[in-house]
Amino acid sequence: DSGVTQTPKHLITATGQRVTLRCSPRSGDLSVYWYQQSLDQGLQFLIQYYNGEERAKGNILERFSAQQFPDLHSELNLSSLELGDSALYFCASSVGGRPGTDTQYFGPGTRLTVL
Amino acid sequence: GESVGLHLPTLSVQEGDNSIINCAYSNSASDYFIWYKQESGKGPQFIIDIRSNMDKRQGQRVTVLLNKTVKHLSLQIAATQPGDSAVYFCAERWRGGGNKLTFGTGTQLKVEL
Repeated sequence: DSGVTQTPKHLITATGQRVTLRCSPRSGDLSVYWYQQSLDQGLQFLIQYYNGEERAKGNILERFSAQQFPDLHSELNLSSLELGDSALYFCASSVGGRPGTDTQYFGPGTRLTVL
Repeated sequence: GESVGLHLPTLSVQEGDNSIINCAYSNSASDYFIWYKQESGKGPQFIIDIRSNMDKRQGQRVTVLLNKTVKHLSLQIAATQPGDSAVYFCAERWRGGGNKLTFGTGTQLKVEL
């Protein structure tokens, strides 16, 4: 158990809908990262937050957004869902946000299925 | 440095043998590398990491080797056990890119009894 929690574990929804995925980082970690894992693209970095502020952005679609709250939990919002958004979504957390050997610990993931 | 997970290479080893999993990374400016293990239905689990100023690091039953000349990383697992069966990913971090990780394709390790 990494100490990172994610809810829900599974999510099934229809195209065009909007969903929210939730992540709680390990105790003491200030950074939260979101990754998408799909069959044809592997693990892709989406976005990082550090202590409530956006720190880095990857290949995140405009239909997707995220935020980190004062209690450091994070939410990833996916809207206007398409079939291709079906994937595993992982949250990771680390202690700090400045570049360094800052190990990221991953949560168990949310499996999103868009029908 | 984007991974393409169309076909996972597979490594099959006998229980008790040593395993070597290889990874070619993309960015010569990457300064930090990590190996993760992912079991079916679970998130990636940290195994071992190495900084770019090192060429070898050992952990418990695992060793990571880094060859910056050819941008190659390997993970050696000693006395492979059935519980080692999983997909193994290498990841690289480029200091100029913040702390985001770029993952490799992954290798499926199958341990045969």
